[in-house]
Amino acid sequence: NAGVMQNPRHLVRRRGQEARLRCSPMKGHSHVYWYRQLPEEGLKFMVYLQKENIIDESGMPKERFSAEFPKEGPSILRIQQVVRGDSAAYFCASSPGTTRGETQYFGPGTRLLVL
Amino acid sequence: DAKTTQPTSMDCAEGRAANLPCNHSTISGNEYVYWYRQIHSQGPQYIIHGLKNNETNEMASLIITEDRKSSTLILPHATLRDTAVYYCIVLIAGAGSYQLTFGKGTKLSVIP
Repeated sequence: NAGVMQNPRHLVRRRGQEARLRCSPMKGHSHVYWYRQLPEEGLKFMVYLQKENIIDESGMPKERFSAEFPKEGPSILRIQQVVRGDSAAYFCASSPGTTRGETQYFGPGTRLLVL
Repeated sequence: DAKTTQPTSMDCAEGRAANLPCNHSTISGNEYVYWYRQIHSQGPQYIIHGLKNNETNEMASLIITEDRKSSTLILPHATLRDTAVYYCIVLIAGAGSYQLTFGKGTKLSVIP
């Protein structure tokens, strides 16, 4: 049973470019969460999505960041016009979406470097 | 939101039990205690969770005090591969959102 998959694992962008990070949840999971980890810091929640629905985006920066989880295909975290401060590790997690307080399983992360 | 307090770092001899404490004195009755670990910038790995009762799985045991104000994660026979940052997290559950709030965790070093 494959785990949470993220790609690319490493992404280099120049300031002003767009970054697209992909997350495929575990098989059978319909809930996806995105977290960001800045250098030397803990993970911070960004957004929680179900298929075709954003449930909680309270941790998302107000500008340039967006997330989606379409009916078909992976969840996408999109960062427009990247700046150096966006350099971080971005982790996706998934859960089954069937019960309250269920466990989240994390992917290996995408390390974004903005030059 | 309940906060957690963990020691910054701990050492453990290889083969011995590692006991990692966590204080969560403001935990409410319907909040779970979760433990994750992160090995050298990899994705966090789920270890175990509990509500009231002690729990055990193939990785670890979780001991929760009767008043639920603190807990201890026990790795029964630590190996070098258990060197990681361990996070004790109280799950914030409400209105369909399940944010995991990661603090600084405890950096566990397993010594040969």
